[in-house]
Amino acid sequence: AQSVTQPDIHITVSEGASLELRCNYSYGATPYLFWYVQSPGQGLQLLLKYFSGDTLVQGIKGFEAEFKRSQSSFNLRKPSVHWSDAAEYFCAVGAQGGYQKVTFGTGTKLQVIP
Amino acid sequence: NAGVMQNPRHLVRRRGQEARLRCSPMKGHSHVYWYRQLPEEGLKFMVYLQKENIIDESGMPKERFSAEFPKEGPSILRIQQVVRGDSAAYFCASSPDSYQGSPLHFGNGTRLTVT
Repeated sequence: AQSVTQPDIHITVSEGASLELRCNYSYGATPYLFWYVQSPGQGLQLLLKYFSGDTLVQGIKGFEAEFKRSQSSFNLRKPSVHWSDAAEYFCAVGAQGGYQKVTFGTGTKLQVIP
Repeated sequence: NAGVMQNPRHLVRRRGQEARLRCSPMKGHSHVYWYRQLPEEGLKFMVYLQKENIIDESGMPKERFSAEFPKEGPSILRIQQVVRGDSAAYFCASSPDSYQGSPLHFGNGTRLTVT
């Protein structure tokens, strides 16, 4: 069974600083990988996804993520954080083959300070 | 183009009552997923449905919980005889097909509080 680990529960960064959120997955084959963002009181919105091909994936709102098979990682990055990026971020893994059953990590809450 | 609609947004029930959560998927989507989010935890898969069929209910508690997605109308998640531990945010997501690459479109959730 697939699983996802997000080792950082909370992260605080200054506005304008760079950001990296960590995600490690466990899956026996090449996974489908996703990053979602959740603002308070809202549902989840897809930031980006990786299926195959180029291991550096560009998403919305200036985010990108890099798939590293050797490290079983799919870290999310942004070069310059804006105050509006404060939210909770979830990494997720989906199994290839069959229907789409996605497993989510426990999330990382991002706080942005002026 | 309406997204996934969930209602109610907030639901308060006393212990022992029934809770009914509704989800209308995006237009054109026939695949519905229910997730539960507990405080400080990620989303936990509960059930996956297509129209009139339960495809995977491996995440559903064996008792008191049921889900349906009728031919007409919204998907319903039903919790009978609620207990305090059922207090959580319940999210519905939909997709147009079962292709693994199709992203899930989430509703804003129903926050259930059991008193």
